[in-house]
Amino acid sequence: GESVGLHLPTLSVQEGDNSIINCAYSNSASDYFIWYKQESGKGPQFIIDIRSNMDKRQGQRVTVLLNKTVKHLSLQIAATQPGDSAVYFCAEKNLLGNEKLTFGTGTRLTIIP
Amino acid sequence: EAQVTQNPRYLITVTGKKLTVTCSQNMNHEYMSWYRQDPGLGLRQIYYSMNVEVTDKGDVPEGYKVSRKEKRNFPLILESPSPNQTSLYFCASSFRTGIAFFGQGTRLTVV
Repeated sequence: GESVGLHLPTLSVQEGDNSIINCAYSNSASDYFIWYKQESGKGPQFIIDIRSNMDKRQGQRVTVLLNKTVKHLSLQIAATQPGDSAVYFCAEKNLLGNEKLTFGTGTRLTIIP
Repeated sequence: EAQVTQNPRYLITVTGKKLTVTCSQNMNHEYMSWYRQDPGLGLRQIYYSMNVEVTDKGDVPEGYKVSRKEKRNFPLILESPSPNQTSLYFCASSFRTGIAFFGQGTRLTVV
Protein backbone atom coordinates (compact mmCIF):
# COMPACT_ATOMS: atom_id res chain seq x y z
CA GLY A 1 0.00 0.00 0.00
CA GLU A 2 0.93 3.63 -0.03
CA SER A 3 3.40 4.75 2.57
CA VAL A 4 5.46 7.77 3.22
CA GLY A 5 8.29 7.27 5.66
CA LEU A 6 11.12 9.17 7.20
CA HIS A 7 14.66 7.88 7.63
CA LEU A 8 15.30 9.47 11.03
CA PRO A 9 12.78 10.07 13.81
CA THR A 10 14.94 12.68 15.60
CA LEU A 11 17.56 15.16 14.53
CA SER A 12 19.60 17.61 16.61
CA VAL A 13 21.40 20.50 14.97
CA GLN A 14 23.51 23.33 16.33
CA GLU A 15 21.94 26.74 15.96
CA GLY A 16 23.18 28.40 12.81
CA ASP A 17 24.00 25.14 11.06
CA ASN A 18 22.05 23.73 8.15
CA SER A 19 19.71 20.75 8.61
CA ILE A 20 18.44 18.15 6.20
CA ILE A 21 15.32 16.10 6.82
CA ASN A 22 14.70 13.15 4.52
CA CYS A 23 11.55 11.41 3.38
CA ALA A 24 10.88 8.34 1.24
CA TYR A 25 7.60 7.66 -0.50
CA SER A 26 6.36 4.54 -2.22
CA ASN A 27 3.43 5.65 -4.39
CA SER A 28 4.85 6.38 -7.83
CA ALA A 29 1.50 7.98 -8.79
CA SER A 30 2.09 10.81 -6.32
CA ASP A 31 2.81 14.04 -8.10
CA TYR A 32 2.61 16.66 -5.38
CA PHE A 33 4.59 16.85 -2.18
CA ILE A 34 4.35 19.12 0.82
CA TRP A 35 6.43 19.71 3.90
CA TYR A 36 4.64 20.68 7.09
CA LYS A 37 6.01 21.95 10.38
CA GLN A 38 4.21 21.13 13.61
CA GLU A 39 5.08 22.97 16.78
CA SER A 40 4.01 21.71 20.15
CA GLY A 41 0.31 22.22 20.73
CA LYS A 42 -0.39 23.42 17.20
CA GLY A 43 -1.64 22.02 13.95
CA PRO A 44 0.66 21.35 10.99
CA GLN A 45 1.73 24.48 9.14
CA PHE A 46 2.63 24.57 5.47
CA ILE A 47 6.31 25.19 4.76
CA ILE A 48 6.93 24.46 1.12
CA ASP A 49 5.61 22.29 -1.69
CA ILE A 50 6.90 20.83 -4.92
CA ARG A 51 5.30 19.24 -7.95
CA SER A 52 6.69 16.20 -9.65
CA ASN A 53 7.73 18.17 -12.74
CA MET A 54 10.36 19.92 -10.61
CA ASP A 55 13.35 18.58 -8.73
CA LYS A 56 14.12 21.59 -6.58
CA ARG A 57 12.23 24.49 -5.07
CA GLN A 58 13.47 27.18 -2.77
CA GLY A 59 11.77 29.33 -0.20
CA GLN A 60 13.00 31.55 2.53
CA ARG A 61 15.78 29.52 4.24
CA VAL A 62 14.16 26.29 3.05
CA THR A 63 14.77 24.15 0.00
CA VAL A 64 12.94 21.01 -1.04
CA LEU A 65 14.62 18.48 -3.30
CA LEU A 66 12.73 15.76 -5.12
CA ASN A 67 14.31 12.66 -6.62
CA LYS A 68 11.60 10.75 -8.43
CA THR A 69 13.97 8.01 -9.52
CA VAL A 70 14.45 6.79 -5.97
CA LYS A 71 11.19 8.25 -4.61
CA HIS A 72 12.91 10.50 -2.14
CA LEU A 73 12.48 14.07 -1.05
CA SER A 74 14.32 16.20 1.44
CA LEU A 75 13.85 19.45 3.28
CA GLN A 76 16.89 21.61 3.82
CA ILE A 77 16.73 24.38 6.40
CA ALA A 78 19.57 26.89 6.23
CA ALA A 79 21.00 28.78 9.20
CA THR A 80 18.74 27.10 11.70
CA GLN A 81 17.17 29.10 14.51
CA PRO A 82 15.60 28.02 17.82
CA GLY A 83 12.17 28.59 16.29
CA ASP A 84 12.87 25.84 13.79
CA SER A 85 12.58 23.25 16.56
CA ALA A 86 9.47 21.25 15.70
CA VAL A 87 8.26 18.03 14.14
CA TYR A 88 8.45 18.04 10.35
CA PHE A 89 6.19 15.93 8.16
CA CYS A 90 6.35 15.18 4.50
CA ALA A 91 3.08 14.50 2.74
CA GLU A 92 2.21 13.38 -0.74
CA LYS A 93 -0.83 13.17 -2.96
CA ASN A 94 -1.99 12.62 -6.49
CA LEU A 95 -3.39 15.83 -7.94
CA LEU A 96 -5.85 13.87 -10.06
CA GLY A 97 -6.96 11.81 -7.08
CA ASN A 98 -9.26 12.45 -4.16
CA GLU A 99 -7.18 15.17 -2.47
CA LYS A 100 -6.03 12.77 0.24
CA LEU A 101 -2.71 13.65 1.79
CA THR A 102 -0.61 10.70 2.93
CA PHE A 103 1.72 11.72 5.73
CA GLY A 104 5.00 10.36 6.96
CA THR A 105 5.45 9.68 10.66
CA GLY A 106 7.48 12.84 11.24
CA THR A 107 10.99 13.88 12.28
CA ARG A 108 11.59 15.86 15.44
CA LEU A 109 14.15 18.57 14.82
CA THR A 110 15.83 20.08 17.86
CA ILE A 111 17.99 23.17 17.49
CA ILE A 112 20.74 23.33 20.10
CA PRO A 113 21.52 26.91 21.19
CA GLU B 1 -7.89 36.15 9.16
CA ALA B 2 -7.96 32.90 7.16
CA GLN B 3 -8.31 30.02 9.54
CA VAL B 4 -9.66 26.60 10.38
CA THR B 5 -11.35 26.54 13.77
CA GLN B 6 -11.96 23.42 15.80
CA ASN B 7 -13.92 23.08 19.01
CA PRO B 8 -13.39 21.99 21.65
CA ARG B 9 -9.60 22.02 21.97
CA TYR B 10 -9.68 19.50 24.79
CA LEU B 11 -12.32 16.95 25.70
CA ILE B 12 -12.52 14.13 28.21
CA THR B 13 -15.52 11.85 27.88
CA VAL B 14 -16.72 8.42 28.91
CA THR B 15 -17.12 5.35 26.75
CA GLY B 16 -20.36 5.35 24.78
CA LYS B 17 -21.32 8.99 25.24
CA LYS B 18 -21.93 10.56 21.84
CA LEU B 19 -19.85 13.60 21.03
CA THR B 20 -19.28 16.02 18.18
CA VAL B 21 -16.15 17.94 17.32
CA THR B 22 -16.88 20.97 15.19
CA CYS B 23 -14.73 22.35 12.38
CA SER B 24 -15.28 25.57 10.51
CA GLN B 25 -13.23 27.30 7.79
CA ASN B 26 -13.58 30.82 6.43
CA MET B 27 -11.64 30.40 3.19
CA ASN B 28 -14.48 29.05 0.99
CA HIS B 29 -12.54 25.83 0.47
CA GLU B 30 -14.31 22.97 -1.27
CA TYR B 31 -12.28 20.24 0.32
CA MET B 32 -12.28 19.39 4.03
CA SER B 33 -10.96 16.42 5.93
CA TRP B 34 -10.39 14.96 9.36
CA TYR B 35 -7.18 13.34 10.57
CA ARG B 36 -6.16 11.67 13.77
CA GLN B 37 -2.61 11.82 15.03
CA ASP B 38 -1.15 9.08 17.17
CA PRO B 39 2.45 8.61 18.39
CA GLY B 40 4.54 6.75 15.84
CA LEU B 41 1.71 6.66 13.30
CA GLY B 42 1.68 10.21 12.05
CA LEU B 43 -1.53 11.71 10.66
CA ARG B 44 -4.11 9.34 9.26
CA GLN B 45 -7.16 10.46 7.35
CA ILE B 46 -10.54 9.57 8.86
CA TYR B 47 -13.04 11.11 6.43
CA TYR B 48 -12.98 13.73 3.74
CA SER B 49 -15.44 15.85 1.81
CA MET B 50 -14.98 17.13 -1.72
CA ASN B 51 -17.90 19.56 -1.41
CA VAL B 52 -21.29 20.07 0.23
CA GLU B 53 -23.13 16.77 0.68
CA VAL B 54 -20.15 14.83 -0.72
CA THR B 55 -18.23 12.79 1.85
CA ASP B 56 -16.13 9.64 1.72
CA LYS B 57 -14.09 7.38 3.97
CA GLY B 58 -10.41 7.87 4.52
CA ASP B 59 -8.00 5.31 5.91
CA VAL B 60 -9.46 4.90 9.41
CA PRO B 61 -13.21 5.67 9.28
CA GLU B 62 -14.47 3.03 11.72
CA GLY B 63 -16.33 4.54 14.66
CA TYR B 64 -16.70 7.98 13.08
CA LYS B 65 -19.31 9.87 11.11
CA VAL B 66 -19.22 13.20 9.34
CA SER B 67 -21.61 15.53 7.60
CA ARG B 68 -21.18 18.44 5.19
CA LYS B 69 -24.41 20.40 5.06
CA GLU B 70 -22.67 23.73 4.53
CA LYS B 71 -19.44 24.54 2.79
CA ARG B 72 -17.76 26.05 5.82
CA ASN B 73 -18.57 23.34 8.41
CA PHE B 74 -17.46 19.73 8.68
CA PRO B 75 -18.27 18.20 12.08
CA LEU B 76 -16.81 14.90 13.24
CA ILE B 77 -19.24 12.70 15.16
CA LEU B 78 -18.38 9.84 17.46
CA GLU B 79 -21.65 8.02 18.09
CA SER B 80 -20.25 5.68 20.75
CA PRO B 81 -16.68 6.65 21.64
CA SER B 82 -14.27 3.98 22.81
CA PRO B 83 -10.86 4.29 24.50
CA ASN B 84 -9.05 3.46 21.24
CA GLN B 85 -10.39 6.73 19.86
CA THR B 86 -8.31 8.65 22.36
CA SER B 87 -6.18 10.75 20.07
CA LEU B 88 -5.32 14.17 18.72
CA TYR B 89 -7.69 15.18 15.94
CA PHE B 90 -7.11 17.72 13.18
CA CYS B 91 -9.45 19.22 10.67
CA ALA B 92 -8.04 20.54 7.40
CA SER B 93 -9.39 22.43 4.40
CA SER B 94 -8.11 23.35 0.96
CA PHE B 95 -9.07 24.38 -2.54
CA ARG B 96 -8.94 21.61 -5.10
CA THR B 97 -5.24 20.73 -5.58
CA GLY B 98 -4.34 23.42 -3.10
CA ILE B 99 -2.40 23.53 0.11
CA ALA B 100 -4.21 22.09 3.11
CA PHE B 101 -4.63 24.37 6.12
CA PHE B 102 -5.02 22.73 9.49
CA GLY B 103 -6.89 23.63 12.63
CA GLN B 104 -5.25 23.78 16.05
CA GLY B 105 -6.33 20.30 17.00
CA THR B 106 -8.68 18.64 19.47
CA ARG B 107 -7.22 16.40 22.11
CA LEU B 108 -9.80 13.75 22.96
CA THR B 109 -9.56 11.33 25.86
CA VAL B 110 -12.12 8.55 26.18
CA VAL B 111 -12.16 6.81 29.57
